[in-house]
Amino acid sequence: NAGVMQNPRHLVRRRGQEARLRCSPMKGHSHVYWYRQLPEEGLKFMVYLQKENIIDESGMPKERFSAEFPKEGPSILRIQQVVRGDSAAYFCASSPRQGSSGNTIYFGEGSWLTVV
Amino acid sequence: DQQVKQNSPSLSVQEGRISILNCDYTNSMFDYFLWYKKYPAEGPTFLISISSIKDKNEDGRFTVFLNKSAKHLSLHIVPSQPGDSAVYFCAASGATSYDKVIFGPGTSLSVIP
Repeated sequence: NAGVMQNPRHLVRRRGQEARLRCSPMKGHSHVYWYRQLPEEGLKFMVYLQKENIIDESGMPKERFSAEFPKEGPSILRIQQVVRGDSAAYFCASSPRQGSSGNTIYFGEGSWLTVV
Repeated sequence: DQQVKQNSPSLSVQEGRISILNCDYTNSMFDYFLWYKKYPAEGPTFLISISSIKDKNEDGRFTVFLNKSAKHLSLHIVPSQPGDSAVYFCAASGATSYDKVIFGPGTSLSVIP
């Protein structure tokens, strides 16, 4: 399966714990996006990364959230000291971003975080 | 500020008829537009896209129309099938490699058999 891989699919954390969500992009893709979907809402942009570089993090909450995409390994979205309001579906997408042919991004199946 | 708008939260269409989903945008720098389909508990699936240099793009039962002067695009599905019942997201992006893809709030389509 050469698609975008996210894990875990489901994660339950107690308030105050840390959550780590992982995303491996499609083969040949060098750019990763993270989006969040709160219940009954649309897809909200969080962060856009390429290897070892954050391109745009304008959608990331100022505290507790961080993202990285290291030279080796998956992209990781990290949420520290989770609160109930962090409960949501987190989607990762990737793109080749090779030029001006249009930025089509392809999504993974999502990671559902529940904070209890 | 919502740069990509889908003003109809939901739409019901009879099987075999045409479904028309609408999308408006406010940012004139957007250069590339996409439609995605999403089933519950799954990730969004790319459907079709259109560049700003075109006004129409067709792929099977799906056609996207772009009216740049009105900052409006629409997705036509014909004929509609029950399996098309899903949430449809409109998205837009600029032309540079630093532009993110911004999504609208989605329209829930129900195709009634």
